[in-house]
Amino acid sequence: EIVLTQSPDFQSVTPKEKVTITCRASQSIGSSLHWYQQKPDQSPKVLIKYASQSISGVPSRFSGSGSGTDFTLTIDGLEAEDAAAYYCHQSSSLPHTFGGGTKVEIK
Amino acid sequence: QLQLQESGPGVVKPSETLSLTCTASGGSIGSTEYYWGWIRQPPGKGLEWIGSVFYSGSTYHNPSLRSRVTMSVDTSKNQFSLKLSSVTAADTAVYYCARHQADMDVWGKGTTVTVSS
Repeated sequence: EIVLTQSPDFQSVTPKEKVTITCRASQSIGSSLHWYQQKPDQSPKVLIKYASQSISGVPSRFSGSGSGTDFTLTIDGLEAEDAAAYYCHQSSSLPHTFGGGTKVEIK
Repeated sequence: QLQLQESGPGVVKPSETLSLTCTASGGSIGSTEYYWGWIRQPPGKGLEWIGSVFYSGSTYHNPSLRSRVTMSVDTSKNQFSLKLSSVTAADTAVYYCARHQADMDVWGKGTTVTVSS
């Protein structure tokens, strides 16, 4: 099973700041890494697929990068509505696995 | 626009079988492009993939759940289902259904299942 390790677990950020969340895979997964946002009491919503591909309707301040074992989600110019938990997910091999999550709080 | 809705009992007794159904609207689960998956989230914790089913009925599931998982699809009703046997308190969670190819792009709102006597 591929283990995804996210960091940090928690981040408290001022609006307009840049946020960087990392996800490290226990073995190479190519670009089969996807990012989700989950707001309180809501289901997850995909933000980025295949490491860096944008999703229609997702604000352009969200971007992703990386390949192999190291991946990054960047929020360039945090807004208050971005307070949420963020998860990475790999679909390279079964079983599908998720990172432990990063909670982003607005200061 | 495809929507998914989970349904099933909110409380299940220990050692019994949890049964959930996901109903699709605004689209067909008979699509050959997508898998239909189940994901759960224990209270205050992260996401765990349970398993997925294809329109043909082929399934694959998380080995961590051993042989407790059974999934099926009913294209005539536009539904797919999950059964999880021999439940314990550790199975208490919000259960989501979702559509996926690689990424999971459509999710249901989730249903809370509590295992309690």
